[in-house]
Amino acid sequence: GPKVLQIPSHQIIDMGQMVTLNCDPVSNHLYFYWYKQILGQQMEFLVNFYNGKVMEKSKLFKDQFSVERPDGSYFTLKIQPTALEDSAVYFCASSLVQGYTGQLYFGEGSKLTVL
Amino acid sequence: AQSVTQPDARVTVSEGASLQLRCKYSYSATPYLFWYVQYPRQGLQLLLKYYSGDPVVQGVNSFEAEFSKSNSSFHLQKASVHWSDSAVYFCALSMTNTGKLTFGDGTVLTVKP
Repeated sequence: GPKVLQIPSHQIIDMGQMVTLNCDPVSNHLYFYWYKQILGQQMEFLVNFYNGKVMEKSKLFKDQFSVERPDGSYFTLKIQPTALEDSAVYFCASSLVQGYTGQLYFGEGSKLTVL
Repeated sequence: AQSVTQPDARVTVSEGASLQLRCKYSYSATPYLFWYVQYPRQGLQLLLKYYSGDPVVQGVNSFEAEFSKSNSSFHLQKASVHWSDSAVYFCALSMTNTGKLTFGDGTVLTVKP
């Protein structure tokens, strides 16, 4: 079936550094999402993105976070600067249409470790 | 605020046995409800979803789920499990039709041969 690819699968960085997590969504999809899962906790919604704009974001989506999809390529999540509490697995998802009628396809996750 | 509770962190069943994975939600209205499965080294995949109509919904791989408004539940069931069903199962809800999901903690299912 359709696949969402996430790069890297695991990244270790020092606190204060910048990190970019990349997501290659399903090719014809228009809606994009990031979710965050801290070890031992529930997966939580961060942000959704459509037509070059953030449509909705949660309180977890701090000012240090940004998303973009330049030139229709990777959908990226950038954190600058990183903090210890940003250590988590970040899941990207995409869908062709929004909401219930659409189906979200998730990637395997990018594990971020901030030291 | 809305929430999803999956009371069983781990479930182990024998191959061929029936299965029920429990999901309870908290929300004032009827939410959009989903079950996702994550197989090892793969992303989450949609098993089935419900919003209205027949409270028993059919999904992929012979899974079904039953919605109960009175119990605020959306339990996942399968009549006969196979070893390949071993995975992590997530119940989720959405209050709005935007793809913003609230997930439960997940249930790790192990099917013994």
